[in-house]
Amino acid sequence: GAVVSQHPSRVICKSGTSVKIECRSLDFQATTMFWYRQFPKKSLMLMATSNEGSKATYEQGVEKDKFLINHASLTLSTLTVTSAHPEDSSFYICSASGGRGGYEQFFGPGTRLTVL
Amino acid sequence: KQEVTQIPAALSVPEGENLVLNCSFTDSAIYNLQWFRQDPGKGLTSLLLIQSSQREQTSGRLNASLDKSSGRSTLYIAASQPGDSATYLCAALNSGGSNYKLTFGKGTLLTVNP
Repeated sequence: GAVVSQHPSRVICKSGTSVKIECRSLDFQATTMFWYRQFPKKSLMLMATSNEGSKATYEQGVEKDKFLINHASLTLSTLTVTSAHPEDSSFYICSASGGRGGYEQFFGPGTRLTVL
Repeated sequence: KQEVTQIPAALSVPEGENLVLNCSFTDSAIYNLQWFRQDPGKGLTSLLLIQSSQREQTSGRLNASLDKSSGRSTLYIAASQPGDSATYLCAALNSGGSNYKLTFGKGTLLTVNP
């Protein structure tokens, strides 16, 4: 099956710093990548959708200057949380679709971000 | 706007019991519906994906059904085991303009007691 990795799996940072999370499709070319956020005991909320080589499409209420998304290649997308604050602490999960998988999204293992 | 609801929010059963998890969605114009499993602090594991043209999918002790017209899907787990304890999420895939959007329910937290 299709494999998606995320790095780091866990990160703790100080308030005001920026954090970059990487999402990689390891064995297929991901034409589209998605970034989700999950609060404790809540569902996954789509933050943005990115197509390779294009600007990301952000969901309503998600600050594009706060959450910078880059999808520079068919196997890598990055999410940068800029000037992180404690309320940005959450579980961030990426997914990727493309190739023979069609519309199916393959999910990464997630990144736990804690902002002190 | 698609909304996905899962009932019950939590379920506790003794080992060996057969059980049903329910999922409903408001927009029936879906491309597919998918069931996932999530262990605490972990990512998602895809269990079953049902295309809009299909009625059900089976994998081992799991069977998922889809009734598009009524906006419902069920996940049936046979002979439950303690290792089945996890949160089960269903998600509906719809067209979202130029992209396809997956909308998740809040999940059912399943506990199977030995």
